[in-house]
Amino acid sequence: DSGVTQTPKHLITATGQRVTLRCSPRSGDLSVYWYQQSLDQGLQFLIQYYNGEERAKGNILERFSAQQFPDLHSELNLSSLELGDSALYFCASSAYRGLGNTIYFGEGSWLTVV
Amino acid sequence: DQQVKQNSPSLSVQEGRISILNCDYTNSMFDYFLWYKKYPAEGPTFLISISSIKDKNEDGRFTVFLNKSAKHLSLHIVPSQPGDSAVYFCAASANFGNEKLTFGTGTRLTIIP
Repeated sequence: DSGVTQTPKHLITATGQRVTLRCSPRSGDLSVYWYQQSLDQGLQFLIQYYNGEERAKGNILERFSAQQFPDLHSELNLSSLELGDSALYFCASSAYRGLGNTIYFGEGSWLTVV
Repeated sequence: DQQVKQNSPSLSVQEGRISILNCDYTNSMFDYFLWYKKYPAEGPTFLISISSIKDKNEDGRFTVFLNKSAKHLSLHIVPSQPGDSAVYFCAASANFGNEKLTFGTGTRLTIIP
């Protein structure tokens, strides 16, 4: 158990809908990361928050947005869903930044768009 | 554009032998490299890392080698154990940080008893 909690674990929704994925980082971790893993793909970095502020952005679609709340939990919002958005979405957290900073991953949220 | 490549989707090794997983990268700005291990229905777990100022890092049965001139790194597992069967991801980042990790597509390692 990494200490990173993601909900829901599985989600099936229709195209055009909107969903919210939730992440609770490890206790005390200030950084939260979101990654997407599509079928046969490596993990693609989406976005990072550090202590409530957006820190780094990857190839995140405009239909997707995220935020980190004062209690450090984070949400990833996916809207106008398309079939291609079906993927495993991982949240990860780390204590700080810099060399030697280990990132811990949650178990992921499986999103299926039908 | 796949900046981190793991060209072997799968690898089978006999128990007790050495497992060697390879990874190539194209971005010269990468200076920190990590290996993650992933079991089914679990998130990736950090295994070992190396910065570009070193060419080798060892942790128990796991050793990572970095060849900067060839833009190549490898993970050696000796001796291989059945519990090592998993998918292994190579990842890289720039600026000696863990932000914005770029992952390879993974290699599925199967240890044969």
